[in-house]
Amino acid sequence: GQQVMQIPQYQHVQEGEDFTTYCNSSTTLSNIQWYKQRPGGHPVFLIQLVKSGEVKKQKRLTFQFGEAKKNSSLHITATQTTDVGTYFCAPANTGNQFYFGTGTSLTVIP
Amino acid sequence: EAQVTQNPRYLITVTGKKLTVTCSQNMNHEYMSWYRQDPGLGLRQIYYSMNVEVTDKGDVPEGYKVSRKEKRNFPLILESPSPNQTSLYFCASSLRGRNYGYTFGSGTRLTVV
Repeated sequence: GQQVMQIPQYQHVQEGEDFTTYCNSSTTLSNIQWYKQRPGGHPVFLIQLVKSGEVKKQKRLTFQFGEAKKNSSLHITATQTTDVGTYFCAPANTGNQFYFGTGTSLTVIP
Repeated sequence: EAQVTQNPRYLITVTGKKLTVTCSQNMNHEYMSWYRQDPGLGLRQIYYSMNVEVTDKGDVPEGYKVSRKEKRNFPLILESPSPNQTSLYFCASSLRGRNYGYTFGSGTRLTVV
């Protein structure tokens, strides 16, 4: 399968602190998607990044795609309890399979 | 409402008893897929389908079958379930494959005893 590492595996933050998760690939990617899964829920599509160096924002969430298209990050500013969940990256190079990273589980302490 | 519908949500069965988990989408999506989610292993693709009558193996296809006779439906069949197939299963669809975001179903929690 796709060789991708997502770090950290777990992150506990105080409410109001920032959070970042990273997705690193050994190969160049054509695009990368990010998903959020709330506890007990199903993954929900957040965004897709396609261009080298691309940066996209959704309110307090900032998504980046590396210049070499081998890594990506999701940064949350001033976390809230509603941000709790597991964040998955889904990198793609060639082929039709749809891989996911192992996810970062975020806990927000009120 | 655009959605992927999986049934059942929960299922407890015995080893060897054939079962089918249904998946249906109402978005006219071409690409459909099944995943299993296990603690520490993330989401692993079982099978996927690029379109009607086209199916391919994912990373963990052993013990599973699928069919895609209609565009909207993509059932997952376990001919002879075993305890190691106890897992949380998700069906997902996208408009046209890997360059479009997935819509996931709500999941099926399967226990094989």
